[in-house]
Parts: sequence; structure tokens; C-alpha cells
Amino acid sequence: SQTIHQWPATLVQPVGSPLSLECTVEGTSNPNLYWYRQAAGRGLQLLFYSVGIGQISSEVPQNLSASRPQDRQFILSSKKLLLSDSGFYLCAWSRAPRTEAFFGQGTRLTVV
Amino acid sequence: DQQVKQNSPSLSVQEGRISILNCDYTNSMFDYFLWYKKYPAEGPTFLISISSIKDKNEDGRFTVFLNKSAKHLSLHIVPSQPGDSAVYFCAASHPNTGNQFYFGTGTSLTVIP
Repeated sequence: SQTIHQWPATLVQPVGSPLSLECTVEGTSNPNLYWYRQAAGRGLQLLFYSVGIGQISSEVPQNLSASRPQDRQFILSSKKLLLSDSGFYLCAWSRAPRTEAFFGQGTRLTVV
Repeated sequence: DQQVKQNSPSLSVQEGRISILNCDYTNSMFDYFLWYKKYPAEGPTFLISISSIKDKNEDGRFTVFLNKSAKHLSLHIVPSQPGDSAVYFCAASHPNTGNQFYFGTGTSLTVIP
């Protein structure tokens, strides 16, 4: 069966510090991978998606970047965090575009 | 610009009764819709989907209805159980959005034993 791991579960970082969130998927190959963010009182917003190694599409301009160094690994990064980067970050995978996604446990990021 | 709206932030229902969660959308090009369920401190889990070629889809206690003319969909849970207490998100996509699903803000359902 397929599983998705995302860590850490919670993170408190000072403004201006770097960020690296990692996500790995097991039990499937060549998944579509996603990073979502849920800000307070908002729906889930797609930040990045990837259909293959090294292929990253960004949906919104922001202070964040993503990378896919391996088939089942997806990393969300920032060089300098802003207060507005606080939120709940979710990694997800799907078998194909426009199909249901399977989400990780999420990371609660608080930038102070 | 919130293209998918869940106007009820919360809903309380007695155990055994029907829960109806509503979702409205503004983009008439949306043709595929999903419902997710989320427990605290966990990621959302997929619940049920519906394509615009249908107006109803059932899976056990869960039924999703789609009214394209009203740009409205609803999730019915019958009978409601305490374990159904969670936040429910609807999401929509259209052929031109690629991997993009637009999510609502969620409705928190509480099923009272």
C-alpha cells in the first residue's frame, strides 16, 4: 500500500530564517506530487506540483520554492521566511492529474 | 478570489440524523468535484467525487449531489455517526486547470451522540 510521510509536524521559525520541509511517498512510482498551504480561515491553496523528477510548476508567486530530487521525494524551501509564510503546509500525491490526492499529516509552521 | 465557497463554517447534527454539507462555486467550467474529510492534526482524506456528467454519486452512507445550473453541490451523510465529526472540504477542477483543485474553506461537522 502507498504511504506518504511529511515532517516535521510542527515548526516555529524566526523571520528571515531558512525553511526546508520534506515529503516522501512509498509504494508507488512516478506520482504527481503537490505542496498545499492552508492559511487561517482559508481553503487549501496549491503552491507547487510536480509530474516528474526536476519538473516543478508554481501556481502562485511567493517566497517559497520546491524541488524534486528523487521520484518520490518533494521538498519545500525558503531562503528567508516571512511572517506571512505561517500556515499549515500539506504534501500530497496522486496517480494522475485531476484525480483524488492523498495527503500527508501536514506541518504547522509558525514564523515569529 | 474564492471560486469555491462553503458558507457554513460549522454544523451540528444529532447522531442518526442526516448531515447536509453545502458547497457553491462560481466557475461554470468546473466539471469534476471532490469531497475530503479532515480530522485535527491530520491531512485530508478523500471521501467521494462526482463528475459533471452525473448529478448524483453514492458511496455507502455518503451521497454527493450536483446541481450544475445552480453551481451547487452538497454532501449528504445518512445516518450521521459521531465518527463523522470532522472538517469537510469540497474541491473543484476544470479541464484547463491541469493539476489545480480549488478548495473551499471547509465546514466543521459535529455529530452529537
